[in-house]
Amino acid sequence: DTAVSQTPKYLVTQMGNDKSIKCEQNLGHDTMYWYKQDSKKFLKIMFSYNNKELIINETVPNRFSPKSPDKAHLNLHINSLELGDSAVYFCASSLRTGGPYEQYFGPGTRLTVT
Amino acid sequence: GENVEQHPSTLSVQEGDSAVIKCTYSDSASNYFPWYKQELGKGPQLIIDIRSNVGEKKDQRIAVTLNKTAKHFSLHITETQPEDSAVYFCAAKENDMRFGAGTRLTVKP
Repeated sequence: DTAVSQTPKYLVTQMGNDKSIKCEQNLGHDTMYWYKQDSKKFLKIMFSYNNKELIINETVPNRFSPKSPDKAHLNLHINSLELGDSAVYFCASSLRTGGPYEQYFGPGTRLTVT
Repeated sequence: GENVEQHPSTLSVQEGDSAVIKCTYSDSASNYFPWYKQELGKGPQLIIDIRSNVGEKKDQRIAVTLNKTAKHFSLHITETQPEDSAVYFCAAKENDMRFGAGTRLTVKP
């Protein structure tokens, strides 16, 4: 069973479009995350979310918004896509927010904006 | 906020040799230090972690050491195999997880 899954695996779109990436975890975790990995492989947190609190990295443009229909899902919506948004986006989950809890990552979505 | 530095950025070893990757962190409140392995086209996979109340942890060919006083921790891989080739990330966590920049390990057969 896949613990953290993402769809689609690849997403190619044009500048100015709006797109979504879906994430699901079947681990029963309370907290989910979105990370961005740039071309140099650097991993940077974008959001962390549980059913009580959304924490946003202040450097993330407000064109990016997470939406959680339920505890097992955290989707990433991106409006007005820009060339600089091209990257690999990873969803992750952990048992709780904060504290020494393991984070488990999904397989990633490679977004290419042309 | 937390700042994690990781060295070296690339590491090439011969099969059977040992590999060591080192990280330093800045926030003394960090209490959890995982290591991830990322293979091409895949997501980071947790391979070992250590919590701040422990100085060393070992799992078969992989070991991690933590020096809280000096604020550094290291990953040791012994008897390396070609399938160990990947990018390895260290991270430090108090509230948010902060990652090092990664080490590309190549194990030559």
